[in-house]
Amino acid sequence: KNEVEQSPQNLTAQEGEFITINCSYSVGISALHWLQQHPGGGIVSLFMLSSGKKKHGRLIATINIQEKHSSLHITASHPRDSAVYICAVRSRTSGSRLTFGEGTQLTVNP
Amino acid sequence: DSGVTQTPKHLITATGQRVTLRCSPRSGDLSVYWYQQSLDQGLQFLIQYYNGEERAKGNILERFSAQQFPDLHSELNLSSLELGDSALYFCASTEGNNEQFFGPGTRLTVL
Repeated sequence: KNEVEQSPQNLTAQEGEFITINCSYSVGISALHWLQQHPGGGIVSLFMLSSGKKKHGRLIATINIQEKHSSLHITASHPRDSAVYICAVRSRTSGSRLTFGEGTQLTVNP
Repeated sequence: DSGVTQTPKHLITATGQRVTLRCSPRSGDLSVYWYQQSLDQGLQFLIQYYNGEERAKGNILERFSAQQFPDLHSELNLSSLELGDSALYFCASTEGNNEQFFGPGTRLTVL
């Protein structure tokens, strides 16, 4: 079993829909990252969080440390949100290295 | 633009060859991380350097090595290349234990 599991693996939505991507992890962590990877391959860091909730524009990330679970929400989705979203954790015992989920491929249709 | 640069963008080479990938971190960042992203394995941590010294090692093959120079740029050396080494190689930099900023990646194709 992977230390970091994401669901769903693939997600197709219509423009304007509210989207949720989930991430569960099995180790104690010091931080969780949400990353976005566009078709060209580049990776952008969206959030780093260790508790509670963060918001940036139409993106919201939440984390529940007790349940070892995080969600990434996209409100009013747009075709330009189409990308792979990757959850990564920094475990308490392995310094600052990241362990990654397999990613969620999101396609938003106009 | 993350401020992290990687060269080259693309590299095509043959099995058995050796290549060097280069990464320049964001100004002021002392930590550099190398990651490999292959189709079957996803993103995996290879190695971390902090201010010129190796800090952590992940699933890095013995055929691979890295170093960080006094000007903080880093190089990842891949030798005796195999078909399975074809992947995207990313470096990322950070200040302390904060958010990591990723470079655009080097796409390596081994034929």
